[in-house]
Amino acid sequence: GDSVTQMEGPVTLSEEAFLTINCTYTATGYPSLFWYVQYPGEGLQLLLKATKADDKGSNKGFEATYRKETTSFHLEKGSVQVSDSAVYFCALSPAGGSYIPTFGRGTSLIVHP
Amino acid sequence: DAGITQSPRHKVTETGTPVTLRCHQTENHRYMYWYRQDPGHGLRLIHYSYGVKDTDKGEVSDGYSVSRSKTEDFLLTLESATSSQTSVYFCAISDTQGSYEQYFGPGTRLTVT
Repeated sequence: GDSVTQMEGPVTLSEEAFLTINCTYTATGYPSLFWYVQYPGEGLQLLLKATKADDKGSNKGFEATYRKETTSFHLEKGSVQVSDSAVYFCALSPAGGSYIPTFGRGTSLIVHP
Repeated sequence: DAGITQSPRHKVTETGTPVTLRCHQTENHRYMYWYRQDPGHGLRLIHYSYGVKDTDKGEVSDGYSVSRSKTEDFLLTLESATSSQTSVYFCAISDTQGSYEQYFGPGTRLTVT
């Protein structure tokens, strides 16, 4: 079956540091790929998405590129802020019309001033 | 923001009592989901619905039932709550158009004593 693997956290960074959170997936065909963010005490919210190979999703300074050859969708940000502290989830929605997504376990990011 | 509300937001109940959580959407999306989130387990799908009166089990459905009598409402019932069902419960919705991203409610924190 489908699976999503993301790096374990917590990831601890100083403000203005470069962020990478790795995500790899296993799925047939060309799934849609997503990053969700969860701030403390809240539900998940969509951060960015990509629906086909080589697409780059971007939002709020975060970026991720759909790499079919390496089955990856790594999240990056050039300069993190304290307000980026949250849990980040990588997810996929299968190709072929299944509406049951697969989520990674989440990576906690802590940004210190 | 997608219009999704959950009620109650917090609940403390005793072992053996029935509990019903409600999810309400104003987006007219066809798919609705219930997840639980626990430390070390990420998000786990309990049940989902693909239309009025159409529901199916997720990976952790034991001890839970659901009902959907209207497009906008999806109820999760714990027939006899146990301490292992202490968790944060999230409702999500998804449309059948586009890339099938999910929109999450704010969550319900349930404690079973």
